[in-house]
Amino acid sequence: GIQVEQSPPDLILQEGANSTLRCNFSDSVNNLQWFHQNPWGQLINLFYIPSGTKQNGRLSATTVATERYSLLYISSSQTTDSGVYFCAVVRMDSNYQLIWGAGTKLIIKP
Amino acid sequence: DSGVTQTPKHLITATGQRVTLRCSPRSGDLSVYWYQQSLDQGLQFLIQYYNGEERAKGNILERFSAQQFPDLHSELNLSSLELGDSALYFCASSPRQGPSTGGYTFGSGTRLTVV
Repeated sequence: GIQVEQSPPDLILQEGANSTLRCNFSDSVNNLQWFHQNPWGQLINLFYIPSGTKQNGRLSATTVATERYSLLYISSSQTTDSGVYFCAVVRMDSNYQLIWGAGTKLIIKP
Repeated sequence: DSGVTQTPKHLITATGQRVTLRCSPRSGDLSVYWYQQSLDQGLQFLIQYYNGEERAKGNILERFSAQQFPDLHSELNLSSLELGDSALYFCASSPRQGPSTGGYTFGSGTRLTVV
């Protein structure tokens, strides 16, 4: 089955820093989403981005489907950005199940 | 508010007991998906329902069952609970069998603690 790998596994930054999180996937996909899970466990949908680039405030994401990777950019980090960032993909032949990466744990220090 | 409602938010119960988790999908969504997230783990797909019918099964234990009712809300039943069943249980919904143009929408989860 398709493999989803995220890097780095852990990231510790000072408030105000910028960061880039990467998601590699081993086969073509029909859907890719980025999620933020905050320290309270809530799962927040950041981007639906099977291809192209999207921006939402300090966050932006780019997926290059032909090269099978996606990047999540976080600029001017705030302590509220802390948590785990998950990339998840869907293939139509996987019964529409989301296949998840292991996540990047981000800690923003004040 | 994502539009997907899960109740209860927290549940503490003893081993051997049975619990029911409830999910109301976003208005207009016909598909409901259940996921389990154990401590410090990724999400594992359990089961999917589409318009009342089971459509896909993942790593769901035989002690677990689910159904989707005519009003499209879904319930996940967990029985003979074990300590290892302690986890966050998420429900997601989409308009049809696959993701919508906005992807899947997740509820805020139910945190189950088995003691």
